[in-house]
Amino acid sequence: GAVVSQHPSRVICKSGTSVKIECRSLDFQATTMFWYRQFPKKSLMLMATSNEGSKATYEQGVEKDKFLINHASLTLSTLTVTSAHPEDSSFYICSAHSTSGSYNEQFFGPGTRLTVL
Amino acid sequence: GQNIDQPTEMTATEGAIVQINCTYQTSGFNGLFWYQQHAGEAPTFLSYNVLDGLEEKGRFSSFLSRSKGYSYLLLKELQMKDSASYLCALTTDSWGKLQFGAGTQVVVTP
Repeated sequence: GAVVSQHPSRVICKSGTSVKIECRSLDFQATTMFWYRQFPKKSLMLMATSNEGSKATYEQGVEKDKFLINHASLTLSTLTVTSAHPEDSSFYICSAHSTSGSYNEQFFGPGTRLTVL
Repeated sequence: GQNIDQPTEMTATEGAIVQINCTYQTSGFNGLFWYQQHAGEAPTFLSYNVLDGLEEKGRFSSFLSRSKGYSYLLLKELQMKDSASYLCALTTDSWGKLQFGAGTQVVVTP
């Protein structure tokens, strides 16, 4: 199956700094990628849809200036958490959408654990 | 918008069968997914239903009734490794955007 990687897998940063998370589709092209966040023992919450070559579409309640998304190529999307604060500590997961199969399928990255001190 | 409901937790013994129900309300429908997620890991795909009926894949089966807004995931011959969170997710467009339910934590006991 298709593989999606995320980097870094874990990051600890100080409050006020910015953190960039990369999501790559390794063996397929993804015009659409999605970013989710997940708090402990909670489900995945969709943050935004990342479209190659255009602006991301953010879900209601997600600050676009806080969570900057760039989808510069068909295999890479980045999420930058700007001026991070402890409440931004979470598990961030990306997924890449592939239409090459028999149905619309998303392949998930392994996730990035962000801890803001 | 969408509303997706599934039980919070279920407990079953090794070797048994467990059925996880998912009910939903949505203004559009383009498929329902079930994912398994172990703690600290990303979700892994289990099944996809877009038409009514039962899809069987090994020990896991998934059922869909679009008219009732209802799906279930059936786990047979439970193993300890099946202890995980099971997520019901809807997609309403062709671009794969998913909305997840809160997840059902399945605990398998010896």
